[in-house]
Amino acid sequence: KAGVTQTPRYLIKTRGQQVTLSCSPISGHRSVSWYQQTPGQGLQFLFEYFSETQRNKGNFPGRFSGRQFSNSRSEMNVSTLELGDSALYLCASRGTGDTEAFFGQGTRLTVV
Amino acid sequence: GEDVEQSLFLSVREGDSSVINCTYTDSSSTYLYWYKQEPGAGLQLLTYIFSNMDMKQDQRLTVLLNKKDKHLSLRIADTQTGDSAIYFCAERGPSGGYQKVTFGTGTKLQVIP
Repeated sequence: KAGVTQTPRYLIKTRGQQVTLSCSPISGHRSVSWYQQTPGQGLQFLFEYFSETQRNKGNFPGRFSGRQFSNSRSEMNVSTLELGDSALYLCASRGTGDTEAFFGQGTRLTVV
Repeated sequence: GEDVEQSLFLSVREGDSSVINCTYTDSSSTYLYWYKQEPGAGLQLLTYIFSNMDMKQDQRLTVLLNKKDKHLSLRIADTQTGDSAIYFCAERGPSGGYQKVTFGTGTKLQVIP
């Protein structure tokens, strides 16, 4: 079956702009989590969605938001981009009761 | 809050064993994971261990868990050049939500031919 798909793979934005990243989970998976990966901070949890509801949220400012649709696809949005938002954004999906989370290849966002 | 620590770098010769260590602080962790990340790629789950186990072996991989010391290790036997990657330790606890997983900073494994 197809894995977790994240689009786009690469993105360049300028400071102050906003960006929307997309994640399509594995078919049948209802849980989607987002992570930010930077060289300085490592992997940090952003938020988790399950059945269109945000179930958990990490320590990120309100500029970071997300949502999940009825088909379990998820988007995350970052408004008023800052240079420090440059990172690899990873999405992971998990089936109900599954232990393993499957990761996508990520979207590399560069803010200039 | 939860914290997971790893050494940043490990270099081994091809054919030797690699041991990557990790310490964590959340005593209520339920699952502990090892992920592998190759350049330009996402994270691939290598193995995991439930917190009531102390060892798990899967082919060349051996995971040891010392719950008292909150110490987790990953041993890779007969390390190959294809094992060169960043290895992340992660823990999932019952607190903080259903799928909140806390990752370590990652250990970059360099395998010298």
